[in-house]
Amino acid sequence: DVKVTQSSRYLVKRTGEKVFLECVQDMDHENMFWYRQDPGLGLRLIYFSYDVKMKEKGDIPEGYSVSREKKERFSLILESASTNQTSMYLCASSSLAVSYEQYFGPGTRLTVT
Amino acid sequence: AQSVTQPDIHITVSEGASLELRCNYSYGATPYLFWYVQSPGQGLQLLLKYFSGDTLVQGIKGFEAEFKRSQSSFNLRKPSVHWSDAAEYFCAVVLSGGYNKLIFGAGTRLAVHP
Repeated sequence: DVKVTQSSRYLVKRTGEKVFLECVQDMDHENMFWYRQDPGLGLRLIYFSYDVKMKEKGDIPEGYSVSREKKERFSLILESASTNQTSMYLCASSSLAVSYEQYFGPGTRLTVT
Repeated sequence: AQSVTQPDIHITVSEGASLELRCNYSYGATPYLFWYVQSPGQGLQLLLKYFSGDTLVQGIKGFEAEFKRSQSSFNLRKPSVHWSDAAEYFCAVVLSGGYNKLIFGAGTRLAVHP
């Protein structure tokens, strides 16, 4: 069964802290994605990666960075968390052959105080 | 620019009633279209997809959707709603070129009354 896991379901951090959100997929997928979900805005793409050590900016990359050292793992980094980064973060993965069919993790609800 | 509109933010139906969730897209060519469902506390699950061919597509959990090119719509339907269908539903379109980026609508939250 397809599985995408995220390191935390809930996270509370203080303004200015460095935050790491981790995502692991067990499907040997080439593509991995980080989205941010906010009420009334749907899902917005932050970054994606199509291969190890490769990354591309999405629609809202400001304030975020990513790391992909291994094929199965994709990390989202908030260098200096701010309150406007309080949100639900969703990770997804897809194969190269069927890149538009994405499988999602359960999400991490991040609160920055 | 390509976009996806879900006009209804919240919808409430009674259990057993029929359901239609609306989705309109703005896109130059025939898009790839998707419906995802997000149950409370869960990630998104793919309900169904349309690429080409028959404009009425069947999905999981008894859902179907119809692609209407003339109306730029891809509405999701279910003939009889169950309480477990209460969730948030997202319509999405693939932005072709590059790495086939998904563009999501804002979502429709469905409540089901017993």
